[in-house]
Amino acid sequence: DAKTTQPPSMDCAEGRAANLPCNHSTISGNEYVYWYRQIHSQGPQYIIHGLKNNETNEMASLIITEDRKSSTLILPHATLRDTAVYYCIVRRQTGANNLFFGTGTRLTVIP
Amino acid sequence: SAVISQKPSRDICQRGTSLTIQCQVDSQVTMMFWYRQQPGQSLTLIATANQGSEATYESGFVIDKFPISRPNLTFSTLTVSNMSPEDSSIYLCSVSTSGVYNEQFFGPGTRLTVL
Repeated sequence: DAKTTQPPSMDCAEGRAANLPCNHSTISGNEYVYWYRQIHSQGPQYIIHGLKNNETNEMASLIITEDRKSSTLILPHATLRDTAVYYCIVRRQTGANNLFFGTGTRLTVIP
Repeated sequence: SAVISQKPSRDICQRGTSLTIQCQVDSQVTMMFWYRQQPGQSLTLIATANQGSEATYESGFVIDKFPISRPNLTFSTLTVSNMSPEDSSIYLCSVSTSGVYNEQFFGPGTRLTVL
């Protein structure tokens, strides 16, 4: 699976949009971009995933560049409960189903 | 989605002893995995638990140290054997459901401290 690069930490003001970048320049054509987050003392939680089109659900939006070498997770109105470590992961949809985690971005939402 | 429970939620153990962690899922799942998260670190995959056969271990993890069982589609155990303080970590069970998206869900984790 392709490696990803994320900034180690970011701050965001409460109520503002949080934009978390991820570089995955070696992504293959059959690999998806997944985002998970881990709130302190909990297991990771699935947020969203996509292949090449932008995706939106009740939690977040995922913007993938046209060349698929990078993506941005957007939390439109960050709350204090969104403080967590956010992991960007790329993997194939079929075959090996396990996720390999990088170091992630520690997002701190500031009141 | 799948609801995952783990027992125990935390434990403090003496070096040289072994601890077995249980993972129970509320529905039948295709794949079950065990991860380790050392203090301040990201998650590392230990192995894939295969139903009715030996687990598939990742590089750096061996069966003698981390024996795994998976007797059916909803239950698995991970044993941490002959523990040392370096084994102090959070151990997480994860499952993957079949279907279009192959989402992966995680249990709450077992926090292990080895003295």
